[in-house]
Amino acid sequence: GENVEQHPSTLSVQEGDSAVIKCTYSDSASNYFPWYKQELGKGPQLIIDIRSNVGEKKDQRIAVTLNKTAKHFSLHITETQPEDSAVYFCAAIRNQAGTALIFGKGTTLSVSS
Amino acid sequence: DVKVTQSSRYLVKRTGEKVFLECVQDMDHENMFWYRQDPGLGLRLIYFSYDVKMKEKGDIPEGYSVSREKKERFSLILESASTNQTSMYLCASSYRLASSYEQYFGPGTRLTVT
Repeated sequence: GENVEQHPSTLSVQEGDSAVIKCTYSDSASNYFPWYKQELGKGPQLIIDIRSNVGEKKDQRIAVTLNKTAKHFSLHITETQPEDSAVYFCAAIRNQAGTALIFGKGTTLSVSS
Repeated sequence: DVKVTQSSRYLVKRTGEKVFLECVQDMDHENMFWYRQDPGLGLRLIYFSYDVKMKEKGDIPEGYSVSREKKERFSLILESASTNQTSMYLCASSYRLASSYEQYFGPGTRLTVT
């Protein structure tokens, strides 16, 4: 089955700076990589995802990049704002037989103004 | 708007009690999932279900069971609660199609076992 490692576990940035969170995966057959954001007191919510047929995907201030050769993918947040403060989880499909996900351990992002 | 609801936001139970956590989704999703969330350990899958009366074990099924009698409802059962089951429990649902892996999460139930 798949294994996902996420780094760093905590990240503190100043408002306006960029933030990068990285994940590695083990199964070279994996083809779907989502990122979830969990705000305080809420369940995680999908913010962006990428499939293995593309190398980069952007949505306003957030982007995800995928390096299939190295088996890693990253979340990039530009011009960070205090409301970006949250826990971020990367994930991958657990195995190719189904649609269940395996999540990384999470990154707590703090954006100070 | 997709909605996943969980029966309680906070729950306090005693060691040895039988505990039921209920989850209901209103999007006619085939898949439903139960996770527990602990600091530093992320989201760990307990059980999931792809269809009514169907269940599959996740990474940490020991001490838990599940029930899915109706498509919209997925219950997590702690047969005899123990203090090491104190945690945040999250339910999620998704479509079965591989074209849509997105999982929709409920707000969570914080369970304390004393």
